[in-house]
Amino acid sequence: DAKTTQPTSMDCAEGRAANLPCNHSTISGNEYVYWYRQIHSQGPQYIIHGLKNNETNEMASLIITEDRKSSTLILPHATLRDTAVYYCIVRVVDPSGSARQLTFGSGTQLTVLP
Amino acid sequence: GAVVSQHPSWVICKSGTSVKIECRSLDFQATTMFWYRQFPKQSLMLMATSNEGSKATYEQGVEKDKFLINHASLTLSTLTVTSAHPEDSSFYICSASLVASYSNQPQHFGDGTRLSIL
Repeated sequence: DAKTTQPTSMDCAEGRAANLPCNHSTISGNEYVYWYRQIHSQGPQYIIHGLKNNETNEMASLIITEDRKSSTLILPHATLRDTAVYYCIVRVVDPSGSARQLTFGSGTQLTVLP
Repeated sequence: GAVVSQHPSWVICKSGTSVKIECRSLDFQATTMFWYRQFPKQSLMLMATSNEGSKATYEQGVEKDKFLINHASLTLSTLTVTSAHPEDSSFYICSASLVASYSNQPQHFGDGTRLSIL
């Protein structure tokens, strides 16, 4: 699976949009981009994933560049509860349909400030 | 939907004892579950892949005789830490994916088990 690069930490004011970047310049055509977050002392929480089109759900939006070498997770109105470590993970799609593990990097510590 | 339950959430035990951790997919079936370990201020590290009805696949450096994995049904996998020692103290987390023909399905994680060996 392709390696990802994320900033170590970011701050965001409460109520503002949080934009978390991720670089995955070696991504291949059959690899998806997944975003998870981990609040202290809890298991990771799935946020969103995508292949090449921008995606939006009730939690966030995922913007993937046209060349797919980077992406941005957008939390439109950050709250204090969004303070967490955010992981950007690239994972290959297995043609057999079998599940594959996720490889976690260091992630970005997002701190939402009041 | 897609809830993964892990039990216990927290356990303290004496050195030399064995500890069993359960991972259940509550509202879906999972042929594959994954076990991760996380030390303080570090990221999650995959320990093993648990496949229903077959032997688990362990990552390099993980002792299969120490970390016993059983995946007897499509909704339950267990991890038993045998003869636990203080260095086994960690945060253990499981995950599972929906059984589906689309392999891009996201994994869903349990809330983890914090294991402290005295």
